[in-house]
Amino acid sequence: AQSVTQLGSHVSVSEGALVLLRCNYSSSVPPYLFWYVQYPNQGLQLLLKYTSAATLVKGINGFEAEFKKSETSFHLTKPSAHMSDAAEYFCAVGTSGTYKYIFGTGTRLKVLA
Amino acid sequence: EPEVTQTPSHQVTQMGQEVILRCVPISNHLYFYWYRQILGQKVEFLVSFYNNEISEKSEIFDDQFSVERPDGSNFTLKIRSTKLEDSAMYFCASRGGQSASYEQYFGPGTRLTVT
Repeated sequence: AQSVTQLGSHVSVSEGALVLLRCNYSSSVPPYLFWYVQYPNQGLQLLLKYTSAATLVKGINGFEAEFKKSETSFHLTKPSAHMSDAAEYFCAVGTSGTYKYIFGTGTRLKVLA
Repeated sequence: EPEVTQTPSHQVTQMGQEVILRCVPISNHLYFYWYRQILGQKVEFLVSFYNNEISEKSEIFDDQFSVERPDGSNFTLKIRSTKLEDSAMYFCASRGGQSASYEQYFGPGTRLTVT
């Protein structure tokens, strides 16, 4: 069975500091991995996705993620945090068959001025 | 840019009442999904729908739930007799291609409050 684990339900960084949000997956087949962002009272917006074409994936708003098979990880990073990055971030794995998502528990990012 | 829309944005209902949540997926998409997010918890899969039938459902999706695509555009989730624990944000999503690399596009959600 496939699963996703997000370490750290809350992460605080200073404005301008590096953002690192962790995601580890478990999958018996090559995974398709996604990061979504949820701003307060809004829906889920795709940040980026890994589909085996490249291990370093660039997304919107300056975010990127690196797929590391040896570590079963797909951590999300951004070199310099902005106040507007404050949101909840979800890692998800796409499953085979119906391609439904299994989501992690989410990480709420707080950016301090 | 095409988007998934959902109505209503917020629905308040009394326990035991039926509710219908509506979604309009992106027009050329083939796969449709409902997820829910109880306040403060993770997003959970409810059901997937393809080729006019349910392709997979979770254990949450019991006999009180049903889905329908009554015409070429709408995709609905019905809860027959709501319970307090059905209070959650419900997200509709759709995806276009048959490859697993295609991402899902989510609607803004319907917040259901059962009193």
